[in-house]
Amino acid sequence: SAVISQKPSRDICQRGTSLTIQCQVDSQVTMMFWYRQQPGQSLTLIATANQGSEATYESGFVIDKFPISRPNLTFSTLTVSNMSPEDSSIYLCSVGGGENFAGAYEQYFGPGTRLTVT
Amino acid sequence: GNSVTQMEGPVTLSEEAFLTINCTYTATGYPSLFWYVQYPGEGLQLLLKATKADDKGSNKGFEATYRKETTSFHLEKGSVQVSDSAVYFCALETQAGTALIFGKGTTLSVSS
Repeated sequence: SAVISQKPSRDICQRGTSLTIQCQVDSQVTMMFWYRQQPGQSLTLIATANQGSEATYESGFVIDKFPISRPNLTFSTLTVSNMSPEDSSIYLCSVGGGENFAGAYEQYFGPGTRLTVT
Repeated sequence: GNSVTQMEGPVTLSEEAFLTINCTYTATGYPSLFWYVQYPGEGLQLLLKATKADDKGSNKGFEATYRKETTSFHLEKGSVQVSDSAVYFCALETQAGTALIFGKGTTLSVSS
């Protein structure tokens, strides 16, 4: 497996502001994804973070609202822009496809960032 | 499209009871199937997986068998403990290197 860290672990933000969430992995990985988990709900994929190119967004999510960077194989950021209370969620990154993984199907999750927008 | 359906929770059991959490899926091809667990206040952890039909994934006393004929991947444990109280998510991956598709999660509460 891999050790995945996210910063910040939690934050309380005012509406209209933006927050950038960092995801750091202790080894190089092929796949990085960003998910959202709204209160009491399951996980919904926001986008796939592609190294060296633009992220691939799922239906209902757009780059202007959730810009993503992935400058290398161990790091990615997700920004939640112009926040509203509806953006209050846990945001998780997941990784897979690295040399420390048992196989092509191993995906692991970071601890999450709990965001509250007031 | 691809989807995962889990039994509605919450599931409330006494310690040492038998656990079954049902999971069925809809997918084209031959997906890989997973169970993830989220303990209170913690992140998502991979519990077990199966990558082809008739595979049985197992971990920490939990088991699930990939049944292609019934498109199911039910989670079972013979004797639950209070420490098993958590939210359990069934998920599928349509092919290696793609994002996971999750069910809605089932909350398990075990009392002593």
